[in-house]
Amino acid sequence: QKEVEQDPGPLSVPEGAIVSLNCTYSNSAFQYFMWYRQYSRKGPELLMYTYSSGNKEDGRFTAQVDKSSKYISLFIRDSQPSDSATYLCAMSASGGGADGLTFGKGTHLIIQP
Amino acid sequence: NAGVTQTPKFQVLKTGQSMTLQCAQDMNHNSMYWYRQDPGMGLRLIYYSASEGTTDKGEVPNGYNVSRLNKREFSLRLESAAPSQTSVYFCAGGDRGINQYFGPGTRLLVL
Repeated sequence: QKEVEQDPGPLSVPEGAIVSLNCTYSNSAFQYFMWYRQYSRKGPELLMYTYSSGNKEDGRFTAQVDKSSKYISLFIRDSQPSDSATYLCAMSASGGGADGLTFGKGTHLIIQP
Repeated sequence: NAGVTQTPKFQVLKTGQSMTLQCAQDMNHNSMYWYRQDPGMGLRLIYYSASEGTTDKGEVPNGYNVSRLNKREFSLRLESAAPSQTSVYFCAGGDRGINQYFGPGTRLLVL
C-alpha cells in the first residue's frame, strides 16, 4: 500500500460548483500537509499548506486535515475554468527539514464552462 | 529572476546511452531535489541535496547519479539509460521542505 492515496480522476464538474479533493495516508509521522496545483506540461506549484490538524482558508480554497482519520481535503468554492488542473497532495514528517515530499498521484480536475 | 530552469526540455535516447539533465536555481535555496513523474505513479523523489556538497538518495535512486556542483546547480546523470527511465523529470529548490519551487520539467523518452 502506497503511503499516500489519491483518486486520479478525472473529476469533471460545472463552473460554479464546489469541488472536494481528498487524500488518505498511512504514515502517522506526517505533520505537514500540502496541496500543489499542476497545469498541463508545467511544474507543480504550491497552493496551500497546513501544519497538523485543522482548517486553513485562502480565498476560494479551504484545506482541511483530520489526523485522527489520516484524511486531508481541499475544497474549491465557485470553481472556475481556470481551476482546471491536476491537484497533488503532498506530505512531510519534518517540514523544516531538507528531505523530499511524499506525493499522491494527483487528481485531474476539469471545470466545464 | 528565472526561478528554477531545466535543460533540455525534451530528449530521446537509445537504450544504453548516457545523458545529464541540468538544473539551476537563482532563488538562493540551500536544498535541491530531483523527482520523476510517471502516469499512475505520481511524483517520486530520486535524489536530494540539503546543501552544497551533500547528496542523499530518495525513493527511487537506482540507475541515477547526481552532482551538486555549487549552490545554484544540481545535475542528474543517467549512465546507461533504460526504457523504464522514460518519464518526466522535475528539479525543485526549497529551504523549508514545504514550499518547493519546481522547474518546467524534462521529458525523456528512452527507446
